[in-house]
Amino acid sequence: DIVMTQSPFSLAVSEGEMVTINCKSSQSLLSSGNQKNYLAWYQQKPGQSPKLLIYYASTRQSGVPDRFIGSGSGTDFTLTISDVQAEDLADYYCLQHYSSPTFGAGTKLELK
Amino acid sequence: QVQLKETGPDLVQLTQTLSITCTVSGFSLTTYNVHWVRQPPGKGLEWMGAMWNGGGTDYNSAFKSRLSISRDTSKSQVFLKMNSLQTDDTAKYFCAMLGLDYWGQGVMVTVSS
Repeated sequence: DIVMTQSPFSLAVSEGEMVTINCKSSQSLLSSGNQKNYLAWYQQKPGQSPKLLIYYASTRQSGVPDRFIGSGSGTDFTLTISDVQAEDLADYYCLQHYSSPTFGAGTKLELK
Repeated sequence: QVQLKETGPDLVQLTQTLSITCTVSGFSLTTYNVHWVRQPPGKGLEWMGAMWNGGGTDYNSAFKSRLSISRDTSKSQVFLKMNSLQTDDTAKYFCAMLGLDYWGQGVMVTVSS
């Protein structure tokens, strides 16, 4: 099974700041067939189902603000949120689906 | 439009079997995969398993011995059955189309002794 190591566990930020969340996989998520990384990022607000932000490591889902940026390849991935807004306060999860899916442990984004 | 809806019990007794149904609309189970994901209160997301569009299944090895996923395509339903429930199986259980970002609202199941 592929293990996803996500950090940090929590992050306290002020509005307008930039934050970075990291995910490291125990195996490469890059498909040699199509050169795509099978890594997604989700946002979950209290009481809600998760919402897909980024897929294939760096492709923004339709309707997701461009302050959400996914990057990385192989085993190391990053979600960057520039100019954090109050509405971004939520839990964030990475998900690998290169093989049987596994989620990272999650990162709680809180207000400083 | 695409919808997924979980139905199941609020409460299950310790060591008993959990059965949850995911009823989908707006797409065919023979075209898209449906996953099961759970989330214990205050904790993270855990992928449990999937029903592939071709009829096969995949399971998280952590559950493999006690989890079963099946479907009835004529009723557009996917079923989760998990036996030998323990208190740490208390969680919200979601069905979802992970790749397309469609999720049910989830059903909160408490395992009680």
